[in-house]
Amino acid sequence: NAGVTQTPKFQVLKTGQSMTLQCAQDMNHEYMSWYRQDPGMGLRLIHYSVGAGITDQGEVPNGYNVSRSTTEDFPLRLLSAAPSQTSVYFCASGTANTGELFFGEGSRLTVL
Amino acid sequence: QQQVKQSPQSLIVQKGGISIINCAYENTAFDYFPWYQQFPGKGPALLIAIRPDVSEKKEGRFTISFNKSAKQFSLHIMDSQPGDSATYFCAASTGGFKTIFGAGTRLFVKA
Repeated sequence: NAGVTQTPKFQVLKTGQSMTLQCAQDMNHEYMSWYRQDPGMGLRLIHYSVGAGITDQGEVPNGYNVSRSTTEDFPLRLLSAAPSQTSVYFCASGTANTGELFFGEGSRLTVL
Repeated sequence: QQQVKQSPQSLIVQKGGISIINCAYENTAFDYFPWYQQFPGKGPALLIAIRPDVSEKKEGRFTISFNKSAKQFSLHIMDSQPGDSATYFCAASTGGFKTIFGAGTRLFVKA
């Protein structure tokens, strides 16, 4: 039972490099979202999607892009990484019926 | 502007004691109030949740108290155990989507 799978678990980038954090879920959830977790800041919503082809901004969307071409996948793209994007990123999925979010194990990103 | 404010930042409780974490929200459109528990190196997991049509919900040693007029809700952990040591997040959402989290509380239960 995979649930929500995030890759990679760890990544080190140089300032200005681009990369994509992958997220896949196998629970047929319509809702998927990305959060970043920083000490003392809790979990802040970056982008979310309520279904394939539909995305919207969260609390801290700047510097990040998303797309949702399938129900299962919701990649997060950093086009030009900055040190301020050093964080732990979590992908989560869920359904509106229950409101419960299921989280992946996180991706730790360091931008030098 | 923090939509969900959580306190305290950290909490130390003796084994067997009661842990209390408080949250306040601004947006009256929120209609779902969950609490998540996170252990080091893991993603958060749902602990207990409440909707605003009830004032209290209890599941085992965990209880949510909800005060709609004050726009506040709290988590009470009865008979706290060392295994409860974790970070706890309150959260709020509308229609089950766009969940906004508080800043988190690091709980340490002393044996």
